[in-house]
This record gives sequence, structure tokens and C-alpha cells, in this order.
Amino acid sequence: DTGVSQNPRHKITKRGQNVTFRCDPISEHNRLYWYRQTLGQGPEFLTYFQNEAQLEKSRLLSDRFSAERPKGSFSTLEIQRTEQGDSAMYLCASSLAAGLAGLKGGELFFGEGSRLTVL
Amino acid sequence: LAKTTQPISMDSYEGQEVNITCSHNNIATNDYITWYQQFPSQGPRFIIQGYKTKVTNEVASLFIPADRKSSTLSLPRVSLSDTAVYYCLVVTNAGKSTFGDGTTLTVKP
Repeated sequence: DTGVSQNPRHKITKRGQNVTFRCDPISEHNRLYWYRQTLGQGPEFLTYFQNEAQLEKSRLLSDRFSAERPKGSFSTLEIQRTEQGDSAMYLCASSLAAGLAGLKGGELFFGEGSRLTVL
Repeated sequence: LAKTTQPISMDSYEGQEVNITCSHNNIATNDYITWYQQFPSQGPRFIIQGYKTKVTNEVASLFIPADRKSSTLSLPRVSLSDTAVYYCLVVTNAGKSTFGDGTTLTVKP
């Protein structure tokens, strides 16, 4: 257990429905990341937050995807009008920013992921 | 972000030392190298991180030559439970990194 919690662990939905995933990071970590991973591929970066500010979004993140991190604590990732191509494992990770972790950036602590299946 | 290249797969036997090499020709001066391990249906787990020369912890060693254009993860005396995917990442000081497709290590009895 890394201390990063993701819910739900599994979600099966029908095409066109909206889904929301929640990530609770390690409490003192100020950075939070979302990744997407499909079978046989490495995790693909989607977006990351430093505290409550969303600092970067991947071009992979279409306008059907939105992420929030209110108050710089937990984060949600919502997918609207799901498509079959959205089926994947959605991974959340947290870390300390480089300045807080020393000269090197903090290691990423990943949750167990939320597996989405769109029928 | 510097791109990394690793072998797609490797096989080994229990008790052997395994070395996985990653090339990162475009690594920038302030970038550092991090390795993660991932088991099926789990998130990646941090193994080791380094900037130059050699770093060792309780599970692995990381060798980085002077030009830093490659790095080698060394796993001593692997066991069946070390069968996993291993990812090499180049990470910027801003915390940006890109996962490649990793190296699938299969340890055989």
C-alpha cells in the first residue's frame, strides 16, 4: 500500500455515460498526477496538479476529460460521454515537488488504479 | 522530455543478476533517471533514482556513465517474484517525465 487511494477500483459503463474517478493522495504531497494505461503499454501522462493548480494537460486529454483538485487535496477525473476507446486503467500518483524533496524531484507514489470498461 | 529506449523483453533464471540498460541520448543537464517496477493490475512502484555514477539501495543498483546517455538497472539474484515490467524514466526538475513501454522481465525457475 503506497498510501495513494483510488476509487472505484473497477467501473463498467455503457458508451455515452459519464464516469468519475477519485484519487486521495498522500496527505503531505503537493503534486498529483493522472495517467492512463492500456494493455501492453506504459502509462501515458494526462495531467498534473501542484496544489490546486492544474499545471499541465496532455494533448491526449480531449475536452470530454476534466480533472479537478479542489483545495489541493483529493482529485477527481471525469470522463463525459464515454467511448469504447476510453477503456483503460486510470492511474493516479502523488509526489513532493523537487524543491521540497531535495535537489531531485520526488518519486511518484502510484495508487492501484481504476479500471474502466466501456461497453 | 528525453526519450528512453529499453529492450522489450528479457529472460533470466532465479539467482542470476539481471542488468537492464536504457538509452536516453537527449538527457538534459538537470534531468535525473528513475526506474519503476510494475506488476499486472497494479500501479508502478519506484525502485531507484540517480543522477550520475552509481546508486545502490536495498533492492537494486543503478549505474550511470559519465556522459549520462544511458543507464543500467542491476537486480542482484532475481527471484520469480521479480517477474514484472521495468520502466526507465528521465525526469526533469519540474517533475515531468514520460513512460516508455518498459522491459518485461521474466524470471524462470
